[in-house]
Amino acid sequence: DTEVTQTPKHLVMGMTNKKSLKCEQHMGHRAMYWYKQKAKKPPELMFVYSYEKLSINESVPSRFSPECPNSSLLNLHLHALQPEDSALYLCASSQDHGGGTQYFGPGTRLLVL
Amino acid sequence: GNSVTQMEGPVTLSEEAFLTINCTYTATGYPSLFWYVQYPGEGLQLLLKATKADDKGSNKGFEATYRKETTSFHLEKGSVQVSDSAVYFCALSDRDGGFKTIFGAGTRLFVKA
Repeated sequence: DTEVTQTPKHLVMGMTNKKSLKCEQHMGHRAMYWYKQKAKKPPELMFVYSYEKLSINESVPSRFSPECPNSSLLNLHLHALQPEDSALYLCASSQDHGGGTQYFGPGTRLLVL
Repeated sequence: GNSVTQMEGPVTLSEEAFLTINCTYTATGYPSLFWYVQYPGEGLQLLLKATKADDKGSNKGFEATYRKETTSFHLEKGSVQVSDSAVYFCALSDRDGGFKTIFGAGTRLFVKA
C-alpha cells in the first residue's frame, strides 16, 4: 500500500472557525510533511515531523498548528485563518527524513471566506 | 542555497511528439534529483529519480540523466500521449539543505490529440 489519504477533500471555513485537516499513511514511514500549494505554484514546505517529533517549522504563522499523534497520523489544526490562506494543502510521507522519495496525498482544497 | 530552475511553460505538443523539459540546479552538496508529476486535481507523484552523477532515471517512457558537469536533469519522452498532460516539477534534496525538497516552478504540459 503506497497510499497517503487526506480528509476532507474540500473545506470551506470562515475566519473565526476552527477546523482540522487529517492525513494518514500505513507504509511505515517515519517522516511526514505538510505543504501548502497555491494555484500554478510549486508546493511550499510548512512542517516536517521525523519520528513523531516536529523537526522543521518553516516560520509558519501560529494559526496553523500541526500535530502527530502517532507514526501513521498527521493533523493540521486551523484557527483564525485569513483569505490568503486559501490553497491546496498537501500531506506527504517518506521512509525517513533523509532525502528520499516523498509520497503525496491528494490534498485538501481549503477556501477561507 | 539550493535552487532548481526549470523551463517556463506551458508547453503544448501534439500526440506522439518528442518532449524535453529542461531542469538545472544549484546545490552545495551532492543532491538526489527528482521529477514529480501532478495531474489535474491530484497530489504530486514521483515520476523518476536519480541519486548520483550519470544515473539515469526512467519510468513510463520518461527518462532523465543526472549530469553533474552541467548541473542538469532534463526530462525527455520520445512520444507523448494526451494522458501525459500534467504539471511536471523538477526537485532536489540533499544533506547540506537539511534534506528539504526544493521544487522548481513547474512546467505545465498540454498534449493535443
